Amino acid sequence: DTGVSQDPRHKITKRGQNVTFRCDPISEHNRLYWYRQTLGQGPEFLTYFQNEAQLEKSRLLSDRFSAERPKGSFSTLEIQRTEQGDSAMYLCASSLVTGSNEKLFFGSGTQLSVL
Amino acid sequence: KQEVTQIPAALSVPEGENLVLNCSFTDSAIYNLQWFRQDPGKGLTSLLLIQSSQREQTSGRLNASLDKSSGRSTLYIAASQPGDSATYLCAAYSGYSTLTFGKGTMLLVSP
Repeated sequence: DTGVSQDPRHKITKRGQNVTFRCDPISEHNRLYWYRQTLGQGPEFLTYFQNEAQLEKSRLLSDRFSAERPKGSFSTLEIQRTEQGDSAMYLCASSLVTGSNEKLFFGSGTQLSVL
Repeated sequence: KQEVTQIPAALSVPEGENLVLNCSFTDSAIYNLQWFRQDPGKGLTSLLLIQSSQREQTSGRLNASLDKSSGRSTLYIAASQPGDSATYLCAAYSGYSTLTFGKGTMLLVSP
């Protein structure tokens, strides 16, 4: 499978615990995005990387959230001290930017439930 | 700030009907508009991408149109099938990594 892969598919955790998600983008893609989606809503932008550099972070990304892409390949998203409001689907996407245009390819997401 | 609205929020049709899903956006300065399909609890599958210079794109039974001047896009599904049941999302790409989604239209096609 040469698409975007995310791990785990589902995560159930207790409030206050830390969780980490992983995303493996399509291999030649230089941009990687994290989005969050709650029930009945469209995905909302969290952050993105150009190669290993984190270029933008949304105001949605509180200081409990941290994302890394250490070698410009896979990325991790960590949530510390989880809260019930963090329950959502976390989606990763990657793209290969050509000029000013861009098409994003999404993974299957990680569904987080905070009890 | 770009805002994307999708109408209707939900749609139920019998199998075989042709249908239209609507998407509107407030800022016409977009590079492209993309339609996605999302099955329950799953990620997004890209269906069609229309560049800002294009008027429409077709893939099989799907046809998407774009009218930048009016800030509208439509997704036409011909001869709908139960397997088309899913949520359909449109997203406007405004450059600088900004992809703004609508809330989606939940489609149910009954046999």
